[in-house]
Order: sequence, then C-alpha cells, then structure tokens
Amino acid sequence: ETGVTQSPTHLIKTRGQQVTLRCSSQSGHNTVSWYQQALGQGPQFIFQYYREEENGRGNFPPRFSGLQFPNYSSELNVNALELDDSALYLCASSLESAGTEAFFGQGTRLTVV
Amino acid sequence: AQSVTQPDIHITVSEGASLELRCNYSYGATPYLFWYVQSPGQGLQLLLKYFSGDTLVQGIKGFEAEFKRSQSSFNLRKPSVHWSDAAEYFCAVGAPGSARQLTFGSGTQLTVLP
Repeated sequence: ETGVTQSPTHLIKTRGQQVTLRCSSQSGHNTVSWYQQALGQGPQFIFQYYREEENGRGNFPPRFSGLQFPNYSSELNVNALELDDSALYLCASSLESAGTEAFFGQGTRLTVV
Repeated sequence: AQSVTQPDIHITVSEGASLELRCNYSYGATPYLFWYVQSPGQGLQLLLKYFSGDTLVQGIKGFEAEFKRSQSSFNLRKPSVHWSDAAEYFCAVGAPGSARQLTFGSGTQLTVLP
C-alpha cells in the first residue's frame, strides 16, 4: 500500500508568479484535502476534492484553486503569489465515508521571494 | 465555528518522565478528535483518534488520550517519554461524520531532556 506522495518537496518562486503543487493519494482513497501550514502555526484547511469536484473550502481567496483527476491524484494551484503564501503545503487523502481518518503527505515547502 | 486551543506552546520534560499535552475544543456537538505528531520538515502522522465509544483511546508509540465531554477536552498522555518523542504535536477536530476537513490547534512543541 503506497502512502501519500507530494511533489516537489521544495520550491522557490517570485512574488506574482503562479505555482502548481502535486499530490498522489494513498491507494484506494477517493478524497483529497489540502492544507497550508505557515511557520509556527497549525495547518489550515484550504479545500477538499471528491470525485473531481471541490467539496468544501476554507477561508482562502479564489487564487487558490485545485484539480482532482480520475485516478484521485490532485493539484493545488496558486496564482499571483504573495510573500505570505510562503508555507508548507500538505496534502491529505482519505475515503469519503464516516469513521475514517486522513493520511498526510510529507508536504511541499514553498518559499515566495 | 469550531476551534481548537492548545494552551502550551512549548513543554520540556526529562526522558522517562510522564507527559500530558492539553487540548480544548469548541464545537456544537461531539466532534471527531485527533492527535497528530510532526517531526521537523515532515508531514503529519496520526497518533490516535476518537470517534465515539470508550472515552479513553489508545494510540501508537504508547500514547493515549481521554475525551472529557464536560470539559471539552481531549488531552494526550504518555507514562514515560522517550527522546524520540521530541516533536510538535497537534490536536485537531473534524465535524461528526467527517475526518477530512480538520481544524487544527497551533501545536505544542515537545523537548525531551536526556
């Protein structure tokens, strides 16, 4: 059983640029959630995808968008990067059913300069 | 809106000592409750979870947590800490029936002295 994998592990971007982060779900999982973890903070929920549709969103602006593919892998896209977008971005996969937990990937460290 | 409070930003214990990390939550009903651990530069590993039933739950690495509805708390405990337990610990809540849209506390950094 493979775990949740994210790529790249580290990334440096310039303010105003766009970035795409990728996540492969754990085998058999059909739901993907994305979290932003700023330095010294707990993770904050960005959004969740189920069956290729956004199925819940936290308090993040529209320049944060995502995709989920038929194989349940996912992308997080951030447009018009700001310095405050510098953070660890975590992907979590799970089954869309009650009584199951989310499994997290190692994260992508994004630095915006 | 749901929220999670971890009142201790940093805790230092000696190896072999007991440990208790505090977590209080605010939610209209009994949520799903979780403790995760994060080592430097790593993702989150689930230690234990509470969905329903027995209020004392056992997790991995010798950790346990007790759900107290009257106090809206879900404190994490370990009877004897090992040096490898040094990490950051996060308490999280999810809406009943959903373990996917989690609200996390701000974390407690654990330092273990030899």
